[in-house]
Amino acid sequence: DAGVIQSPRHEVTEMGQEVTLRCKPISGHDYLFWYRQTMMRGLELLIYFNNNVPIDDSGMPEDRFSAKMPNASFSTLKIQPSEPRDSAVYFCASAPSTSGLRGNTEAFFGQGTRLTVV
Amino acid sequence: SQQGEEDPQALSIQEGENATMNCSYKTSINNLQWYRQNSGRGLVHLILIRSNEREKHSGRLRVTLDTSKKSSSLLITASRAADTASYFCATAPYNQGGKLIFGQGTELSVKP
Repeated sequence: DAGVIQSPRHEVTEMGQEVTLRCKPISGHDYLFWYRQTMMRGLELLIYFNNNVPIDDSGMPEDRFSAKMPNASFSTLKIQPSEPRDSAVYFCASAPSTSGLRGNTEAFFGQGTRLTVV
Repeated sequence: SQQGEEDPQALSIQEGENATMNCSYKTSINNLQWYRQNSGRGLVHLILIRSNEREKHSGRLRVTLDTSKKSSSLLITASRAADTASYFCATAPYNQGGKLIFGQGTELSVKP
């Protein structure tokens, strides 16, 4: 497997434009996470899915952010409209299924998308 | 909100020395994990310790977990310049399914 694949690697857009980030998780993984990393706030969990269903989106900063997982092999994170403060590195990660309450195993990260909103 | 806090924020040592990083967290957990991030790259999993374990080893890595103090430590022995990276702890909160929350990280610099 090629690992978690994110696209694009870099995105520069103007304020007010719509931005769509894409992620292909590792085949067979049941969990998919979207994180945002900045110097000021560190690595923030935005949303995560289990079996394509959003489980916790409490980290999504505003209604301008939305995420979907239409099938097990694809997810998108959309920002509309984008603002300069959205500039960050966005990571997608996937993890295998867990055994109930015993918690998850290791997460595998993509290389990230560096978003710059000017 | 962030679950884990790491200490120190930055650590600079000489090659061959040991590096110790600490992580504290707030709520009960299923497990705690440590990750490494090289500049400009994604995070890479290093080691996982479950809530019923107290110590775990993997190569030059040693992780301890004290659930009574809600803290963990990562020890890298005989450090190398190639160990230079940021190190993050991540917690899987109890009863929250597969949620995984990261701390702020420790930036380790190993000088040759």
